[in-house]
Amino acid sequence: DAGVIQSPRHEVTEMGQEVTLRCKPISGHNSLFWYRQTMMRGLELLIYFNNNVPIDDSGMPEDRFSAKMPNASFSTLKIQPSEPRDSAVYFCASSLASSHGELFFGEGSRLTVL
Amino acid sequence: AQSVTQPDIHITVSEGASLELRCNYSYGATPYLFWYVQSPGQGLQLLLKYFSGDTLVQGIKGFEAEFKRSQSSFNLRKPSVHWSDAAEYFCAVAPRNDYKLSFGAGTTVTVRA
Repeated sequence: DAGVIQSPRHEVTEMGQEVTLRCKPISGHNSLFWYRQTMMRGLELLIYFNNNVPIDDSGMPEDRFSAKMPNASFSTLKIQPSEPRDSAVYFCASSLASSHGELFFGEGSRLTVL
Repeated sequence: AQSVTQPDIHITVSEGASLELRCNYSYGATPYLFWYVQSPGQGLQLLLKYFSGDTLVQGIKGFEAEFKRSQSSFNLRKPSVHWSDAAEYFCAVAPRNDYKLSFGAGTTVTVRA
């Protein structure tokens, strides 16, 4: 079975540009999470969707960040405008809502903002 | 405040030797407990979990973990490590009434020949 699929795997962009990261969760999973991983802050939960509805976006750093889940098989995380401090690895994870933390992670999107 | 602590940032172990990674948590009530592993350039993979019942849980890749309520700990062990066990290991907790998974800072394991 296909796991969580993220694209792009690597993105290098200049400050001020828009960045869109994409995620396809595992079929049948009804929960989706976006995490950010940095050396300084470790793994941080940005936003959580349940049945395509954003439940908690308290981890989104600021208004420059937005996330959508238009259907059960696709989600995006957008940064506009991007800044150097946004450089990180962004992970998408999916799960069954009933699984209490048993997340399946994608391989991540490594973002570098120059 | 709720927290997850992994006291060891980096551990080096010889191939074939035993490994123990420490994890302590601070929560109002016993949360759900997890260990995840991250190989270089990869996402995280669930090794094992504790919800209730037997306090010694078995996971994949020969790992086990023991929940000790009195010490608020959930330490991960492997009797004999393989070179492929070199990775970063994360302890994580989730409150029983919530979905949010909080991760520790991680422990990097290096395996020497």
